[in-house]
Amino acid sequence: NAGVMQNPRHLVRRRGQEARLRCSPMKGHSHVYWYRQLPEEGLKFMVYLQKENIIDESGMPKERFSAEFPKEGPSILRIQQVVRGDSAAYFCASSPNPPPETQYFGPGTRLLVL
Amino acid sequence: ILNVEQSPQSLHVQEGDSTNFTCSFPSSNFYALHWYRWETAKSPEALFVMTLNGDEKKKGRISATLNTKEGYSYLYIKGSQPEDSATYLCALVAGGTSYGKLTFGQGTILTVHP
Repeated sequence: NAGVMQNPRHLVRRRGQEARLRCSPMKGHSHVYWYRQLPEEGLKFMVYLQKENIIDESGMPKERFSAEFPKEGPSILRIQQVVRGDSAAYFCASSPNPPPETQYFGPGTRLLVL
Repeated sequence: ILNVEQSPQSLHVQEGDSTNFTCSFPSSNFYALHWYRWETAKSPEALFVMTLNGDEKKKGRISATLNTKEGYSYLYIKGSQPEDSATYLCALVAGGTSYGKLTFGQGTILTVHP
């Protein structure tokens, strides 16, 4: 059973561009979580999704950030009009059952905004 | 804002030593506690999910205990090996939330010297 997959692993964007980060959960997992690690900081929760539904977006910045987990395909974290402060590592995790089940983490996407 | 504290921040031990570190959290509104092991350039690896006061969990040479009344959890490593070198993270799940949001501590960086 392949683990959680994220792509791209590294992404470079210029200020004002859009960034799309993809997360394929483990097979059979219908719950997806996104976390962000800013430089010199710990992991911070962003959003929790279950197939086609956003369950908890209490950690998402109010503007420019959105997330989806469609019926088919990976979960997408989208950042519009990126700024330098968006440079961070973005991690996705998945679980087969509702929380507080173990969350299995992917390798992360490192976003650098120039 | 939930405050999850881990101590010490870093720890150096010799191969064969046993060691332990602490995760402290607000005892009110506790729902669950997760422990993760995170090696550089890899994904965080789930160790334990603990929910009940007095819980003890074990995985090989690693074990953890939980005291929800006083708000702390200990992680123990018996007979440390160089491959145990990693950052150990605890993460709190608070009641009254979606239960999908993990609030992470800053971690304890363990280095085991041969």
